[in-house]
Amino acid sequence: DIQMTQSPSSLSASVGDRVTITCRASQSIRSYLNWYQQKPGKAPKVLIYAASTLQSGVPSRFSGSGSGTDFTLTISSLQPEDFATYFCQQGYSTPSFGQGTRLEIK
Amino acid sequence: QLQLQESGSGLVKPSQTLSLTCAVSGGSINSGGYSWTWIRQPPGKGLEWIGYIYQSGSTSYNPSLKSRVTISVDRSRNQFSLKLDSVTAADTAVYYCARVLDFGGHYFDSWGQGTLVTVSS
Repeated sequence: DIQMTQSPSSLSASVGDRVTITCRASQSIRSYLNWYQQKPGKAPKVLIYAASTLQSGVPSRFSGSGSGTDFTLTISSLQPEDFATYFCQQGYSTPSFGQGTRLEIK
Repeated sequence: QLQLQESGSGLVKPSQTLSLTCAVSGGSINSGGYSWTWIRQPPGKGLEWIGYIYQSGSTSYNPSLKSRVTISVDRSRNQFSLKLDSVTAADTAVYYCARVLDFGGHYFDSWGQGTLVTVSS
């Protein structure tokens, strides 16, 4: 099984900040890495797939990068609606998720 | 727009079978060559993939659950289902159904709202 490790587990930031979340795979997953946003009581929503491709309808302040084992999700200028939990997911083999990064308002 | 809706028992006794259905609307479960999946999330915790049912009808399951899981499809009703046998309290979770998109790898683009299943006597 491929283990996915996110850092940090939680993060406090302010509106307008630039934020980066990291996801590391236990082995190479090429570019088969996806990012989701989840708000309390709601289903996850895909933001980025294939490491860097923005899902249709997702604001351009979200971006992703990386390949192999190390990946990042960047939010260029935080908006109030971005405070949520973010998960990475590898789609290279049997799917697995990171443990999540909770983004809170400072 | 595609919509998915989970339904089933919200309370299951230990050792019994959890049964859930995902109704798909706004599109046919038979079109587009899509696969479908179940994912769960224990309260306050992360996401765990349960399994896929492919367009062909074949299935793939999380090895940690494989001995207890069955996913099936009813194309005439435009829905697919999950059965999990011999449940314990560790199976208490919000269960989501979702559509699988294949770009070489897999991701999940449309999700149901989720349904909480509690395992308790």
